[in-house]
Amino acid sequence: GAVVSQHPSRVICKSGTSVKIECRSLDFQATTMFWYRQFPKQSLMLMATSNEGSKATYEQGVEKDKFLINHASLTLSTLTVTSAHPEDSSFYICSARGDRGWWGANVLTFGAGSRLTVL
Amino acid sequence: GESVGLHLPTLSVQEGDNSIINCAYSNSASDYFIWYKQESGKGPQFIIDIRSNMDKRQGQRVTVLLNKTVKHLSLQIAATQPGDSAVYFCAETKGGVQGAQKLVFGQGTRLTINP
Repeated sequence: GAVVSQHPSRVICKSGTSVKIECRSLDFQATTMFWYRQFPKQSLMLMATSNEGSKATYEQGVEKDKFLINHASLTLSTLTVTSAHPEDSSFYICSARGDRGWWGANVLTFGAGSRLTVL
Repeated sequence: GESVGLHLPTLSVQEGDNSIINCAYSNSASDYFIWYKQESGKGPQFIIDIRSNMDKRQGQRVTVLLNKTVKHLSLQIAATQPGDSAVYFCAETKGGVQGAQKLVFGQGTRLTINP
């Protein structure tokens, strides 16, 4: 089955630094990837849609300059949290969709998530 | 904005019993619904999905029911096992199977299986 890998799984950084999180589709090409944010005991909130070779589409209220998304290849999207602050501490999860063409291709495969703690 | 919500934040059932997790959605334009299971510290795992032209779909030990009249979705898990303990999210999207992928997630229900 489809596998999406996220790295790192946990990261602790100092306030003001930038952190990059990688999302890779391991056995399929992902033309579209999605980045979610999840606070403790809450649901997933979509941050942005990342399309290979083009600019990401951000959801309302998500700062583009704060959360930089790059989808340079069909298997890799990165989320960079710039000038991180404690309020950016959260669980970041990516998901990917490949062009498989069968019923159910709409199903997204999620990564295991990356827990960011900003001190 | 419109959202998918859940009635109960927690649910405890005895091992071996059946469990039913409910979800109410508000966007009548949604045409595809998915249930995900999320274990602590992990990403969501796909359980089962259903399209809006169906009212029931069965998988292995799981059944999803869709009532479009009252915009209600439920997940039934038969003969629950300790491994079923997790948070369950319903998610909705619109645009058909090949359409939009933007999922709106419900708030989640934490299912606890008691021995």
